[in-house]
Amino acid sequence: KAGVTQTPRYLIKTRGQQVTLSCSPISGHRSVSWYQQTPGQGLQFLFEYFSETQRNKGNFPGRFSGRQFSNSRSEMNVSTLELGDSALYLCASSLGVGGDEQFFGPGTRLTVL
Amino acid sequence: GIQVEQSPPDLILQEGANSTLRCNFSDSVNNLQWFHQNPWGQLINLFYIPSGTKQNGRLSATTVATERYSLLYISSSQTTDSGVYFCAVELRGYNKLIFGAGTRLAVHP
Repeated sequence: KAGVTQTPRYLIKTRGQQVTLSCSPISGHRSVSWYQQTPGQGLQFLFEYFSETQRNKGNFPGRFSGRQFSNSRSEMNVSTLELGDSALYLCASSLGVGGDEQFFGPGTRLTVL
Repeated sequence: GIQVEQSPPDLILQEGANSTLRCNFSDSVNNLQWFHQNPWGQLINLFYIPSGTKQNGRLSATTVATERYSLLYISSSQTTDSGVYFCAVELRGYNKLIFGAGTRLAVHP
């Protein structure tokens, strides 16, 4: 069974630009969650999608948004990039029934110049 | 909100040594997972262990949910065990993981 895939793996942008990251979950998984990892803040939850609906949201500004498609693939978008958005963005996939095991993709490393 | 504390923050071992990593959490949880983050940043699942004890090769884990802690044991450590180990918990009704700050392990030959 294929694991969680994320594209692109690396990305360099400049301040003010926007970026879209993609995540394909494990086949049969309906929940996709996004996390941001920075040296200063550690791993923080961004949001979670289940059956094309945002079910949970972390404490991030509105510049961070996401969506999920009918095939469970998810995208997250960051608009008006700031230097502080430089981070590793990780996507996790799970069945979505609550309390089940989450599996992570390899991540997208975003650098904002 | 729930607090997840991992100890020690840093650990240096000689190859072959054993170690115990601890994760304390401040509320009842629906899920607890241990991960190893490799040098490229990917989180590798080690254990899904909301309660009880599990073993996988040289690694084992125990969660005592009533006392709100979990332990990860690494026996006969190898240099490939180096990296950061994270504990993450999920509250009932919230399909999101809350991570501890991690334990950075360095195993020297």
